[in-house]
Amino acid sequence: KNQVEQSPQSLIILEGKNCTLQCNYTVSPFSNLRWYKQDTGRGPVSLTIMTFSENTKSNGRYTATLDADTKQSSLHITASQLSDSASYICVVTYSSASKIIFGSGTRLSIRP
Amino acid sequence: DTAVSQTPKYLVTQMGNDKSIKCEQNLGHDTMYWYKQDSKKFLKIMFSYNNKELIINETVPNRFSPKSPDKAHLNLHINSLELGDSAVYFCASSLDRASYEQYFGPGTRLTVT
Repeated sequence: KNQVEQSPQSLIILEGKNCTLQCNYTVSPFSNLRWYKQDTGRGPVSLTIMTFSENTKSNGRYTATLDADTKQSSLHITASQLSDSASYICVVTYSSASKIIFGSGTRLSIRP
Repeated sequence: DTAVSQTPKYLVTQMGNDKSIKCEQNLGHDTMYWYKQDSKKFLKIMFSYNNKELIINETVPNRFSPKSPDKAHLNLHINSLELGDSAVYFCASSLDRASYEQYFGPGTRLTVT
């Protein structure tokens, strides 16, 4: 069964700290993996996009990694800010990019 | 300037009614999508259009009918609304069907009473 699972479901950290969010997928054949940030009441905004051959990609304080062998991805946030409070969604595209599955997201809260 | 816009932002209606949600993108993209986000925050793709042609049609009730008058617009019409249709509906667009990056609209919160 094609699935995308994210952990943890929710996370609370102090401002300035680092954190890592996880995404495991079981889709096949894999096309690409994206991380989105969704602020409350807003649409998702793309953070990173990685294809099969890419192991890591950075976007400012966000760094995503991809291990296509173990079918795992992580999103590392460095020096968190209050504005990082949001849901982070892992999205996997497969079957020649004709199919899309969204993870349920990790709800991240940054406390001052 | 808004890249992907949706109207209305909020929609409250009674069971059995018919309603439409409009979506427009000014990015010059060829592909547009409709997603449903339920109360558990799962986003599920409903439809995808490429240049006014339907390319993805997930298993959704046939009460939902997308209409694309041109490649910049993808409207969602819902007949005989049910309580379970209550959700946030997002429109999105991408450069083409193979493009990885999708740009999402602000969402339309539909409440069926």
